[in-house]
Amino acid sequence: DAGVTQSPTHLIKTRGQQVTLRCSPKSGHDTVSWYQQALGQGPQFIFQYYEEEERQRGNFPDRFSGHQFPNYSSELNVNALLLGDSALYLCASSLAGFNNSPLHFGNGTRLTVT
Amino acid sequence: AQKITQTQPGMFVQEKEAVTLDCTYDTSDQSYGLFWYKQPSSGEMIFLIYQGSYDEQNATEGRYSLNFQKARKSANLVISASQLGDSAMYFCAMREVGGTSYGKLTFGQGTILTVHP
Repeated sequence: DAGVTQSPTHLIKTRGQQVTLRCSPKSGHDTVSWYQQALGQGPQFIFQYYEEEERQRGNFPDRFSGHQFPNYSSELNVNALLLGDSALYLCASSLAGFNNSPLHFGNGTRLTVT
Repeated sequence: AQKITQTQPGMFVQEKEAVTLDCTYDTSDQSYGLFWYKQPSSGEMIFLIYQGSYDEQNATEGRYSLNFQKARKSANLVISASQLGDSAMYFCAMREVGGTSYGKLTFGQGTILTVHP
């Protein structure tokens, strides 16, 4: 039973560029959430996708966008990268309607913006 | 708005001893869930234990137990018989349950636990 998988594991980009991160949810899960974790901080909620639509969004600018595909996998896109976007980006999956069950996280993508 | 506070940036414990990691929370919701996650240096977030706001008994999962005091809005994690592999960052998190919530997690700042041999 495959857990949450994310790619790539590491990425280095230049300020102003665009980046796409990918996530495949745990088998049987239909909801994908993205979190940004700056060094030494707790993860911050970016947004959540369900039924191919953004269902909830955290306090992040429009430069952060996403997509969910019919197979429930998801992408996170960040445009016009800033140095402050350097962080670990975590994808988490869950099953809609079961809010008392834990989110399952991937190993993350570590993005460095230079 | 929900808020999680972890006041211990770092904690040290001797191997085989017990340790308590503190977590307090603030919410106006009546229905919520509290989670603890462990994050080793590899970055993966590992689920440890869950406590629902209406659960009358404290949650336990193996060596992990949750000291839930609803009136005080605290949900402290107790790790018994610490092992060297327990050295990691620990996060307390809260999730809205029910209503129009879609279950996003709000995390605390984390506590770094170091287990000494």
